[in-house]
Amino acid sequence: DTEVTQTPKHLVMGMTNKKSLKCEQHMGHRAMYWYKQKAKKPPELMFVYSYEKLSINESVPSRFSPECPNSSLLNLHLHALQPEDSALYLCASSRMEKVGTGELFFGEGSRLTVL
Amino acid sequence: GENVEQHPSTLSVQEGDSAVIKCTYSDSASNYFPWYKQELGKRPQLIIDIRSNVGEKKDQRIAVTLNKTAKHFSLHITETQPEDSAVYFCAASKPYGGATNKLIFGTGTLLAVQP
Repeated sequence: DTEVTQTPKHLVMGMTNKKSLKCEQHMGHRAMYWYKQKAKKPPELMFVYSYEKLSINESVPSRFSPECPNSSLLNLHLHALQPEDSALYLCASSRMEKVGTGELFFGEGSRLTVL
Repeated sequence: GENVEQHPSTLSVQEGDSAVIKCTYSDSASNYFPWYKQELGKRPQLIIDIRSNVGEKKDQRIAVTLNKTAKHFSLHITETQPEDSAVYFCAASKPYGGATNKLIFGTGTLLAVQP
C-alpha cells in the first residue's frame, strides 16, 4: 500500500461547527504533515509530526488542532473556523531519515468550505 | 528569511520543445531541493530531487541543476508532451531544529504544452 488516504474528500461546515479531517497511511512512515493549499497557490505547511510527536507548528491558529493517535493516523480537528479557512487540506507522509529531506507522499486532500 | 522565488509563473511551449523553470532560495543552509508536479485537481507528486552535494541530476526527459553559490536551481524538461501540462512547484529544505528540516515551496509554474 503506497497511498495516503484522506477523508472526507469534501466538507462544508458553518463557523460554529466542529469537524475533523482524517489521514491514514500504511507505508510505515514516521513523519506526517498537514498542508493548506489555496487555489493557484503552493502548499503551505501547518504541522509536522515525527514519531507521533508534534515537531513543527507554523503558528497556526488554535481553531486548528492536530492529533496523531498512532503512527498510521493523523487528524486535524476544526472548530470555529472562518470563511478564509476554506481551502484544500493536504496530508502527507515521509520516511523518517530526516524530516523534510525526503519524498513527501501526499493524499488527494480534503476540500473544505466554511460558510 | 524564508523565501523561494520561482519563475516564470506561466509557461506555454509547443509539443516537442524544451521547458525551463528557475528557482532561487535565500537560506544558504538549504540542502535538499525537490520538484513536485500537480495536475489539475490532483495531489502533488515528486518528479525529481537533488541534494546539495550534487550539481546535476537527470531522469529520462527531466533534469535538475543546482548552483549553490548563486543559490538557484532549475528544472529542465526536454521533448515536452501534452501530459507534461501541470503546475510545477520547486521547494527548498533547510534545517529547522533537532532532526527536522522544513520544506518551503516556491510559488508554482503553470506549464501548458500545446499539441
